[in-house]
Amino acid sequence: VLTQFPATLSLSPGERATLSCRASQSVNNFLAWYQHKSGQAPRLLIYGGFNRAPGVPARFSGSGSGTDFTLTISSLEPEDFAVYYCQQRRWWPTFGQGTRLQIK
Amino acid sequence: DVKLVESGGGVVQPGRSLRLSCAASGFTFDDYAMHWVRQAPGKGLEWVAGITWNGGNLGYADSVKGRFTISRDNAKNSLYLQMNSLRAEDSALYLCTGDTYSSSSYYGMDVWGQGTTVSVSS
Repeated sequence: VLTQFPATLSLSPGERATLSCRASQSVNNFLAWYQHKSGQAPRLLIYGGFNRAPGVPARFSGSGSGTDFTLTISSLEPEDFAVYYCQQRRWWPTFGQGTRLQIK
Repeated sequence: DVKLVESGGGVVQPGRSLRLSCAASGFTFDDYAMHWVRQAPGKGLEWVAGITWNGGNLGYADSVKGRFTISRDNAKNSLYLQMNSLRAEDSALYLCTGDTYSSSSYYGMDVWGQGTTVSVSS
């Protein structure tokens, strides 16, 4: 089971966002982060816990291993407000319940 | 261009069946494990079923086990989901996606379709 927190994060453009994901068992580094906007396909941001996917801006970073992971957006841009999911692949995939990042 | 195009969704009565298809192009299909992921209205992403690159290993969410069957045809670059005994709670947007991994690394679901909508209603 993957638990994301907070469920909702209200911030302003330019602020730093920190999103957390906790696994009930170690998933090693078999963890990815996705950005999902309504009406669009999810977008892979981070794979292997900390690797940025091609084309993802450097303001997005991932950290952690084992059971505790963090997605950090260093300085929010208007286009970053969306829902973010973590997903494990230590076994068949599961997703966290998502964190909604909204404009304050 | 990398592309996944889902089809086969629609409105169906409870207890009936539906078969979804996903056509892949622009990448080496049999390099990827493939999955169906769904999103019910107002809910998050839920993994439904997965299949390894050669079809040798299948996996299902508990919520669909025994009712849904995933399959693939690498010669046709296609993924399928046979959905039987459909329930109202299966109503969702169904997305086709693929990922790659090794014994020591995970590379993420980096190919996604736009989805096909399934509505189960009497």
